Amino acid sequence: DAGVIQSPRHEVTEMGQEVTLRCKPISGHDYLFWYRQTMMRGLELLIYFNNNVPIDDSGMPEDRFSAKMPNASFSTLKIQPSEPRDSAVYFCASSLTGLAWETQYFGPGTRLLVL
Amino acid sequence: QKEVEQNSGPLSVPEGAIASLNCTYSDRGSQSFFWYRQYSGKSPELIMSIYSNGDKEDGRFTAQLNKASQYVSLLIRDSQPSDSATYLCAVISGAGSYQLTFGKGTKLSVIP
Repeated sequence: DAGVIQSPRHEVTEMGQEVTLRCKPISGHDYLFWYRQTMMRGLELLIYFNNNVPIDDSGMPEDRFSAKMPNASFSTLKIQPSEPRDSAVYFCASSLTGLAWETQYFGPGTRLLVL
Repeated sequence: QKEVEQNSGPLSVPEGAIASLNCTYSDRGSQSFFWYRQYSGKSPELIMSIYSNGDKEDGRFTAQLNKASQYVSLLIRDSQPSDSATYLCAVISGAGSYQLTFGKGTKLSVIP
């Protein structure tokens, strides 16, 4: 398996622009997680899905952030409008039911810089 | 606010020595505990999990949990330069929860 795939790997945008991050989980995994990592706040869970349904979005910082999972092989995290404080590395991870934490694999991340 | 605290380091140890990484957590209801390793510029990878008090060993790694003291640690025996990375402690609170709370990590440097 190719592992969790994220795109783009790097994104530079200007404040106010819309940013869309994409994730393809490992085939057969039914949990998908979006994380954000910054020096100040560390690694934070933003939202997670089970069988394409959002289960907990309490980590989403504000209404500018939204996430969707239209099918089992694709998820997006959108920021609109983007702000400089959104600059971070965004990770997507996926795992299997029943062994969710033992089988959680992270993607390579998307480095976002908002100018 | 559930918190997971780690010393940010850097922690420097000579090659072959034992590296000891520590983590405390605030939520007494925490059930599951994990250690992740993250190389610079890379994504985190799970290296150890522990669920009950005591020690759990896997190769050169030993995780130790003391729920009464709300303390979890990771020992790396015979440290190698390839162990140089940031180690993240993560905690799940409550049965059935999938909410992972991470510490900010301890940077370990193993000196050849």
